[in-house]
Amino acid sequence: AQTVTQSQPEMSVQEAETVTLSCTYDTSESDYYLFWYKQPPSRQMILVIRQEAYKQQNATENRFSVNFQKAAKSFSLKISDSQLGDAAMYFCAYRPYSGAGSYQLTFGKGTKLSVIP
Amino acid sequence: DSGVTQTPKHLITATGQRVTLRCSPRSGDLSVYWYQQSLDQGLQFLIQYYNGEERAKGNILERFSAQQFPDLHSELNLSSLELGDSALYFCASSGTLTDTQYFGPGTRLTVL
Repeated sequence: AQTVTQSQPEMSVQEAETVTLSCTYDTSESDYYLFWYKQPPSRQMILVIRQEAYKQQNATENRFSVNFQKAAKSFSLKISDSQLGDAAMYFCAYRPYSGAGSYQLTFGKGTKLSVIP
Repeated sequence: DSGVTQTPKHLITATGQRVTLRCSPRSGDLSVYWYQQSLDQGLQFLIQYYNGEERAKGNILERFSAQQFPDLHSELNLSSLELGDSALYFCASSGTLTDTQYFGPGTRLTVL
């Protein structure tokens, strides 16, 4: 079974600075998707960024970028120019590319990010 | 706003009771997923439906059941509720089986 590990339960960053959240995963599959979701205090789950494992290029969405290291099974999220609105729980998630039936997301335990004004 | 709606937002009930949570997927999305978020278990997949048919089951208790109707909305039924069922229940939808999942705002269930 796939597992996703986020080793940093909490992190903090100064406003306008850069922070990197770590995620590792375990899978025997060669093709899969990885995601970062953000959960602000409103509890809404918001998609931040998505990475296809077959793509070597790291995904980027505005101030958010990932460092995808397939061999190391590592998928970190970098937030540049941090803003107060970035304060939230961040979840790393794994999803198979194709399978016998399910395309469910497997989530890590999350990292709580605080942004200091 | 993801386009996925869930009702009710909050639900408070007693042990032993039965409740129904409702989810309307984004327009055109065929696949619906249910997830449970609790403090001790984190975010866990419960069940998936695709175009009205059950596609996959995760860590869903036998006391829980779900269905997807012809108009593609889905309901999650929780019965014989226990204190440990208190959690945030999310519905997510995707256009096809392989598309990105977009989450609804969740239903907060409190069992007293």
